[in-house]
Amino acid sequence: GNSVTQMEGPVTLSEEAFLTINCTYTATGYPSLFWYVQYPGEGLQLLLKATKADDKGSNKGFEATYRKETTSFHLEKGSVQVSDSAVYFCALGNYGQNFVFGPGTRLSVLP
Amino acid sequence: GAGVSQSPSNKVTEKGKDVELRCDPISGHTALYWYRQSLGQGLEFLIYFQGNSAPDKSGLPSDRFSAERTGGSVSTLTIQRTQQEDSAVYLCASSLAGGGEREQFFGPGTRLTVL
Repeated sequence: GNSVTQMEGPVTLSEEAFLTINCTYTATGYPSLFWYVQYPGEGLQLLLKATKADDKGSNKGFEATYRKETTSFHLEKGSVQVSDSAVYFCALGNYGQNFVFGPGTRLSVLP
Repeated sequence: GAGVSQSPSNKVTEKGKDVELRCDPISGHTALYWYRQSLGQGLEFLIYFQGNSAPDKSGLPSDRFSAERTGGSVSTLTIQRTQQEDSAVYLCASSLAGGGEREQFFGPGTRLTVL
């Protein structure tokens, strides 16, 4: 079946540090991959997505590249801000099947 | 257009009571999902509706949980004889037709507290 694994948190960084949150997946076929973000006290919202191998999703300075050879979709940002503090969820969607979410990684950015 | 809405935003109930949670998906979205998020935890899939197909109920934790979707739009999640372990935020999401590869749009959630 489909599954998503992402690095355990919490992750604590100083402002302007480089961020990587690892995500790997197991899936049949050709899934779409997503990163969702949940800011404190808010609902989940889509951060970025990629629908096929080698696609790069990007938004708000975050990037993730769909790597089929390593079954990965790592989230990166070159310089984090305090406002990026949130919980980040990697997710997988496959045609005709349910979405699968990772457990979430809590990021805290200190000024 | 309006996003996914859920009501109530907060619900406090006594153990043993029944509760109903409502979700209004985005107009035109045929797929609707319910999830549960316990404090500090990830998302637990509960149930999935896609158009007129039979719902995928594989995530419902017990027979106290049920959900329906009327007219392919509004959905109600019902929890009977609530227990303290049911306390969580219940999230609803909807997406366009086409299956699980489509982006999901989430509502703000209903925070359920069972005393």
